[in-house]
Formats: sequence, C-alpha cells, structure tokens
Amino acid sequence: DIVLTQSPDSLAVSLGERATINCKSSQSVFRISNTNNYLAWYQRKPGQPLKLLIYWASTRESGVPDRFSGSGSGSDFTLTISSLQAEDVAVYYCQQYYNTPPTFGQGTKLEIK
Amino acid sequence: EVQLLESGGGLVQPGGSLRLSCVASGFTFSSYAMSWVRQAPGKGLGWVSSLSGSGGNTYYADSVKGRFTISRDNFKSTLYLQMNSLRAEDTAIYYCAKDRDSTGYDNWYDLWGQGTLVTVSS
Repeated sequence: DIVLTQSPDSLAVSLGERATINCKSSQSVFRISNTNNYLAWYQRKPGQPLKLLIYWASTRESGVPDRFSGSGSGSDFTLTISSLQAEDVAVYYCQQYYNTPPTFGQGTKLEIK
Repeated sequence: EVQLLESGGGLVQPGGSLRLSCVASGFTFSSYAMSWVRQAPGKGLGWVSSLSGSGGNTYYADSVKGRFTISRDNFKSTLYLQMNSLRAEDTAIYYCAKDRDSTGYDNWYDLWGQGTLVTVSS
C-alpha cells in the first residue's frame, strides 16, 4: 500500500498569513500515460462532512475559494492557503488514488495563532 | 440538496453483524460509484470498499474481504454495507462517499456523509 505522510501534524497560523501543509508519498503517484498526479486534498471542519478541495494535485474543486491551491508532483505535494481565514480552521487530509487501496494521510490540524 | 445520509451504526458484540445504509439525494445515483471509508478512534481514514455505478464491480480492503459485502439499490438511491464476523478493530465511524465517476477505482471522493458510528465490544 502507498503510505502518505503529512507534515506537520498540527499548524497554527495568524489570520491573513500563509499556511502550508505537505504530503509525501512512499512512491510516485504520477501516471506517465496521462501525465496526471493521482492526489487529492480534503478539508474537515468540526461537525461537518469531509469536503473535497483539490484533485489531480492542483485542480480546485468547483466552489472552493482560490486562496486554496495545490502543487507538487511525483511523491511530494503541498496544499497552500494563501491568506488564512477564520473559517479555514479544520483538519486537512491528502489522499492518493493512483492504485487500490486508496490511502489517506494522517491529517494536519490547522488552527489560528 | 446534494447529500449522503448514513444510518445503521450501533453497538454489536464481536462476531456479530450489522448493516449500514447510505441514502443519496441530489444527483443521479446510478451514474457514480460509491465507497465506504472508516475512521477508527484516534486513527486516520481508511478505505473499506467501493462499488461501481452499475453494481457489477466490487473492491474491498484486505482487512474486510470475506466479511463485508457492499451493495446498492439504484432505484432507492441507497448504498449498503453488510458487515459480518465483526471484530473489535472494526470499531470506527463509517463514512459513505461518492466517487468522481462510475468505475469504482482510481477515484477521489467529491461528496461525503456525516458518518455512522459502529462499536464492536462485549
């Protein structure tokens, strides 16, 4: 199984500042045949269902604010929130769908400093 | 409203059975594969099973293969997970999730339910 390791486990950022979460895969999730990275990012706010933010490593889901962006390729990926808002307090997860079983990172808890 | 609503969780003894349901609304249920993902207390998310939109292709995590059965009723827009021979390690919140297409593999999940808690304990 592909292991995804997120860093840090928790993060405190001031309002308006940049937040960066990393996700490292135990093997590449880049498929040469279609030049896509098989990685998604999710957000879980307290008391709410998981919400898809990013897929194909950098494609923003419809309705997701453009302060959220995904980057990276191969086995190293980053979720960036360019200007942290209070409503961004949540736990963030990465997921690979390169092969079965799909696997998730352990989660990163983002708080306001 | 586009949503998924799980039910059927509860307390069950080791070796027992439970059937989870997930009712979908707001989208064409039969056009999408559906999955179950669980999260044990203090643990991360773990994929359990996926089922193609037609219901013809099933996929299971090794840890539940032979004990769990995923199924769907496209007329009722409902996904099921029949869980037999339950073990303490199956204790978790079980989430229903909508796949991004109909295949059941190589997918991200674009809609999630709130989850239903399954506790396996004597």
